[in-house]
Amino acid sequence: AQSVAQPEDQVNVAEGNPLTVKCTYSVSGNPYLFWYVQYPNRGLQFLLKYITGDNLVKGSYGFEAEFNKSQTSFHLKKPSALVSDSALYFCAVRDSPGGSYIPTFGRGTSLIVHP
Amino acid sequence: EAEVAQSPRYKITEKSQAVAFWCDPISGHATLYWYRQILGQGPELLVQFQDESVVDDSQLPKDRFSAERLKGVDSTLKIQPAELGDSAMYLCASSPGETQYFGPGTRLLVL
Repeated sequence: AQSVAQPEDQVNVAEGNPLTVKCTYSVSGNPYLFWYVQYPNRGLQFLLKYITGDNLVKGSYGFEAEFNKSQTSFHLKKPSALVSDSALYFCAVRDSPGGSYIPTFGRGTSLIVHP
Repeated sequence: EAEVAQSPRYKITEKSQAVAFWCDPISGHATLYWYRQILGQGPELLVQFQDESVVDDSQLPKDRFSAERLKGVDSTLKIQPAELGDSAMYLCASSPGETQYFGPGTRLLVL
C-alpha cells in the first residue's frame, strides 16, 4: 500500500525568507512523487515531479524539491518566498509501474507568506 | 495552453435532488479521473477511466453516484439523490502519463 504524510497543517514564513513544506511517503516499490498547489476555489496545479534521476527537481514558479530515499521524504522548497505563494500545497505519491497507477494525496499544507 | 474544463463551477441543490457535473479533458489525454475533495483534505479518487472504460471505481458510492465517458472524451458524473454529506469540491483531472492535470472543479453545496 502507498501512503503520504504532510506533517504540518500550516507553514508561516516571511516574504523573502526561504520556505520548506514537508512530505514523507511510503511505497512498496520505487516512488513517483508529485507536488501540486491549490489556490482558493480552484483545482490543483502541477508544480513538479520526481520519477528518476537527479534527486533535486526544479519546477514551476521557482519551486524545487529534494528526493531523499533514505528518509523517504520529498520536501518542497523555495529560496525566497513571495506573498503570492500563499496557497494550499499537496504532495502525492504513486508506486512505480507494477503498483497502483493512482496517486495518493496528502492532506495538504497551508502556506502563509507574510509581507 | 490546453486546460481541463469543468462545468458548472458552483452548484447549490437540495438533498434528494439529482445533480450532474461535466468534464472535458485535455485533447489526447486517454486517462480521466474524478476526485472528491472535502474541505481541509486532499483529493480522494472516485473513478478512473482509460478511454471509455472504467479502470477503477472501487471508491465510488454506486448506490447514488454514476459516471460515464461514452465516447472516450468528455465525462459526466451524476449524483442521485444528493445527500448533505456530498457537499464538497468535485475535481476532474486528465493525464497523458504520470502527471495529472486538474480542472477548476465544481463546488457542490447540498442544503
